[in-house]
Amino acid sequence: GIQVEQSPPDLILQEGANSTLRCNFSDSVNNLQWFHQNPWGQLINLFYIPSGTKQNGRLSATTVATERYSLLYISSSQTTDSGVYFCAANTGNQFYFGTGTSLTVIP
Amino acid sequence: NAGVTQTPKFQVLKTGQSMTLQCAQDMNHEYMSWYRQDPGMGLRLIHYSVGAGITDQGEVPNGYNVSRSTTEDFPLRLLSAAPSQTSVYFCASSYSDPLRLRGEQYFGPGTRLTVT
Repeated sequence: GIQVEQSPPDLILQEGANSTLRCNFSDSVNNLQWFHQNPWGQLINLFYIPSGTKQNGRLSATTVATERYSLLYISSSQTTDSGVYFCAANTGNQFYFGTGTSLTVIP
Repeated sequence: NAGVTQTPKFQVLKTGQSMTLQCAQDMNHEYMSWYRQDPGMGLRLIHYSVGAGITDQGEVPNGYNVSRSTTEDFPLRLLSAAPSQTSVYFCASSYSDPLRLRGEQYFGPGTRLTVT
């Protein structure tokens, strides 16, 4: 299977700050998804983004499939953004997850 | 539209016991899958199904069985529980299109399993 690496592993932000999370994958993929796992363990879909750029409020994501990476931008961070952010890449019938970026936003 | 539902939410088993984790979806998704999540790790695929009657193994299938008799349901069976199977289990579903590209996945709330 493909390798999915996320960076940084941990991130602490002051409320209002911006951040960029990175996801690298080792081979060509059919699609790429970003999830937020909140402190209660629920996995929430953020973006389904096999290529290009999408925006949803304060969040946006860009995938450059030819260079095998995806970026998640969080602007004007809020305490409710805390949790773990995962990317998952799909090849064939299987999805492969990175180990996540743990984000803590402090007021 | 309930999305993806899982039962139970919590379960404690003794080593050697068997049980079935239930997963159901009401979105008419062809593709369903089971993952486990261990502390400090991402999710790892256990088994998946591309439609009723069709299942296949993922990264970590040992110790687990699945079947898919209907589009809606995809139960995960632990035949003889071991402490190494202590984990949080997530079920997910998505559409699949004719080009065999997998669509956006939707996850259930998870089942927290402890094996003593």
